[in-house]
Amino acid sequence: ETGVTQTPRHLVMGMTNKKSLKCEQHLGHNAMYWYKQSAKKPLELMFVYSLEERVENNSVPSRFSPECPNSSHLFLHLHTLQPEDSALYLCASSQGLAGGRDTQYFGPGTRLTVL
Amino acid sequence: QKEVEQNSGPLSVPEGAIASLNCTYSDRGSQSFFWYRQYSGKSPELIMFIYSNGDKEDGRFTAQLNKASQYVSLLIRDSQPSDSATYLCAVNKAGGSYIPTFGRGTSLIVHP
Repeated sequence: ETGVTQTPRHLVMGMTNKKSLKCEQHLGHNAMYWYKQSAKKPLELMFVYSLEERVENNSVPSRFSPECPNSSHLFLHLHTLQPEDSALYLCASSQGLAGGRDTQYFGPGTRLTVL
Repeated sequence: QKEVEQNSGPLSVPEGAIASLNCTYSDRGSQSFFWYRQYSGKSPELIMFIYSNGDKEDGRFTAQLNKASQYVSLLIRDSQPSDSATYLCAVNKAGGSYIPTFGRGTSLIVHP
């Protein structure tokens, strides 16, 4: 495996389900991100982790819960979602946050549908 | 004013023409600027980055940065139908942690 991987690639869940999205980066990076991309809307930054510490949380509803157990793995735990949460969820990683010149590398995304 | 602004398009150009994509940003202290390409249903992939005023060329792509006017542009020479995609501009804000802000993206259509 190379780059940034995400599983599952597609997920359909009911509003009462609990599921988790997984992201793994094989690039030796220290920063990881979750983005939401809805149809016809720009990328929305949800969470940022640097060296396993959360550094940004953009007013995301509590039904989304991130977890970063180490610098290579990032999870997004989902519970009691709403249909409007249906979107493409993208994970990204970068070398760090301090230099200001770090490129983000994106995973393939998880296409989430909430019924 | 939005932090990073792009015309959503679509921008339609004939094959072989030059496509010009523009992006303006509001944070005068921004340090780094990126262009990503995103095909429909796929994730963004980096095309170019630029840090200094002026032009930076890579193959058919040229990024242009003007910090005084707070805009960055991407030129695609000899446009091909395979260039048809949404192009996202991203800007790293200054100060503390450099967390990128993305524009809405410009849809480019290159027709044969």
